[in-house]
Amino acid sequence: GAVVSQHPSWVICKSGTSVKIECRSLDFQATTMFWYRQFPKQSLMLMATSNEGSKATYEQGVEKDKFLINHASLTLSTLTVTSAHPEDSSFYICSARAPGGADTQYFGPGTRLTVL
Amino acid sequence: EDQVTQSPEALRLQEGESSSLNCSYTVSGLRGLFWYRQDPGKGPEFLFTLYSAGEEKEKERLKATLTKKESFLHITAPKPEDSATYLCAVQSLKAAGNKLTFGGGTRVLVKP
Repeated sequence: GAVVSQHPSWVICKSGTSVKIECRSLDFQATTMFWYRQFPKQSLMLMATSNEGSKATYEQGVEKDKFLINHASLTLSTLTVTSAHPEDSSFYICSARAPGGADTQYFGPGTRLTVL
Repeated sequence: EDQVTQSPEALRLQEGESSSLNCSYTVSGLRGLFWYRQDPGKGPEFLFTLYSAGEEKEKERLKATLTKKESFLHITAPKPEDSATYLCAVQSLKAAGNKLTFGGGTRVLVKP
């Protein structure tokens, strides 16, 4: 149980284009999903908290107009990197909070974004 | 502000050589402490959640313990497949949106 998928697993795009990454909870409903960014040999950095049916909450320093988050259903959240630039190249990972008292976050496999 | 510090940053072990990883934390009321395993190029895999001092949890060769200031992840008789980065994270009672604060991780390499 508690499986989270991401699509695509990797993407290469040209500078200036937009890229959409999907995060799905496969066997549970997630009212809250999270988006993280991870640079090589560094830990996870929370970008935003995505709540179903409402606007995402962004961490300080994260541009909400550049990283658009949509949590349209209880099993799907999307992250769109708009007008991507090489400095946006990174490993993006989503997580979903499983229902119940544990508050455990289950992570997707990640998406490697390379902007040329 | 919640803080998590993991040590050592890297650990090289011989197969069968038991060791412990440390996670020191400061938090405004602990809701939970989490251990994850992360393989290169993959998302973190959930291992344990600990809620209160004195609690212990085990899974195969791994055992996690918790005190009021730190948590340990003990690896008993490790095998090469235990090689990974182990991440510790805390969630405070005051965390908006149930956020996790992660430590920098410990990279473990187990040599046969």
